[in-house]
Amino acid sequence: AQTVTQSQPEMSVQEAETVTLSCTYDTSENNYYLFWYKQPPSRQMILVIRQEAYKQQNATENRFSVNFQKAAKSFSLKISDSQLGDTAMYFCAFMKLLGDMRFGAGTRLTVKP
Amino acid sequence: GAGVSQSPRYKVAKRGQDVALRCDPISGHVSLFWYQQALGQGPEFLTYFQNEAQLDKSGLPSDRFFAERPEGSVSTLKIQRTQQEDSAVYLCASSQRTATEAFFGQGTRLTVV
Repeated sequence: AQTVTQSQPEMSVQEAETVTLSCTYDTSENNYYLFWYKQPPSRQMILVIRQEAYKQQNATENRFSVNFQKAAKSFSLKISDSQLGDTAMYFCAFMKLLGDMRFGAGTRLTVKP
Repeated sequence: GAGVSQSPRYKVAKRGQDVALRCDPISGHVSLFWYQQALGQGPEFLTYFQNEAQLDKSGLPSDRFFAERPEGSVSTLKIQRTQQEDSAVYLCASSQRTATEAFFGQGTRLTVV
């Protein structure tokens, strides 16, 4: 079974600064996908960024980028120029090809003005 | 519809009552997932469908939980003889066969009193 670990229950960052959220996972699969989802108080899960395991290049999406280390099974999220609207729960998730998605326990991020 | 729709948004059930939670996935999405999210926790996998076939139900916590997707579209999660520990937000997500992103509904918050 796949497990996803987020070791930072809470983090805070000053507005306009950079923050990195950590995620590690365990799998025997070679091909899979990794995601970061954002969940604001409205409960709506919003996809932030996606990484295919077969791609060596780290995914980027505007202010969001990942550091994907396949051998180390590590998938961290970097948020640059943090904004107040980035305040939310962030979940790291692992998905097998054509399979189900498993989530970490989440990191509560607070962006301070 | 444009997104994944779940109903009801909120449900209060008396202990011992049966409940049915509905999920309307995005049209044409083959895969459908159910998750249970306790307060302050990450989503926990319950079950996964590909079309009408339930490929994985390993996350269902007990035989009181039952999910179906008879025509490969709308899905219903049924909980029989509800108990207080069933109180949680139940999230539904869908994805295309070859796509890698799961789109989430806003969830149903179930409170068992």
